[in-house]
Amino acid sequence: DAGITQSPRYKITETGRQVTLMCHQTWSHSYMFWYRQDLGHGLRLIYYSAAADITDKGEVPDGYVVSRSKTENFPLTLESATRSQTSVYFCASSEPRGRQGLTYEQYFGPGTRLTVT
Amino acid sequence: GQNIDQPTEMTATEGAIVQINCTYQTSGFNGLFWYQQHAGEAPTFLSYNVLDGLEEKGRFSSFLSRSKGYSYLLLKELQMKDSASYLCAVRSFSGGYNKLIFGAGTRLAVHP
Repeated sequence: DAGITQSPRYKITETGRQVTLMCHQTWSHSYMFWYRQDLGHGLRLIYYSAAADITDKGEVPDGYVVSRSKTENFPLTLESATRSQTSVYFCASSEPRGRQGLTYEQYFGPGTRLTVT
Repeated sequence: GQNIDQPTEMTATEGAIVQINCTYQTSGFNGLFWYQQHAGEAPTFLSYNVLDGLEEKGRFSSFLSRSKGYSYLLLKELQMKDSASYLCAVRSFSGGYNKLIFGAGTRLAVHP
């Protein structure tokens, strides 16, 4: 049971380059999320997806693009990387369950540490 | 606005009890989560509260008071492996969807 995986785990890129971070989950969860984690800010939501072909912006979407053609994959693309996008990126997935369908803890991937020089 | 506050750092002794507090201000409150995150690793789910009161799960308990905008995570019989960051997250229904808003986390160091 692979769960949720991210690739690459580490990436160094230059300012202005396009970078794609991959996320894959094997649970067929309907919801998927992309967060970035920076010191002092906690986790901030970049984009989320409620199902294949349904995506929407989170708190900090500028400079990022997502797609979700298949339920199991949710790639995040930095169209033109900037130094401010240096961060640790976490992908997560979830499925509503439990009391009134409200409980849905998110399961996080191992993260991608991205450095933009 | 939406705001979550928790202490930045705490220290405790192995075998002791520690309480990590979280206060929040948010609209559309729809539940509160606690996650544990070891250094360099992904957050993992610990607990969920949507109604007032205490939820107990082994050595970990979580309490919620919605009227006070307050929660705490209680860790008993501390072990060295409990050294980690603890993230408080509030689920808020806003802008047409349920979103999780995370606090910056509390870094707990457990000493022998």
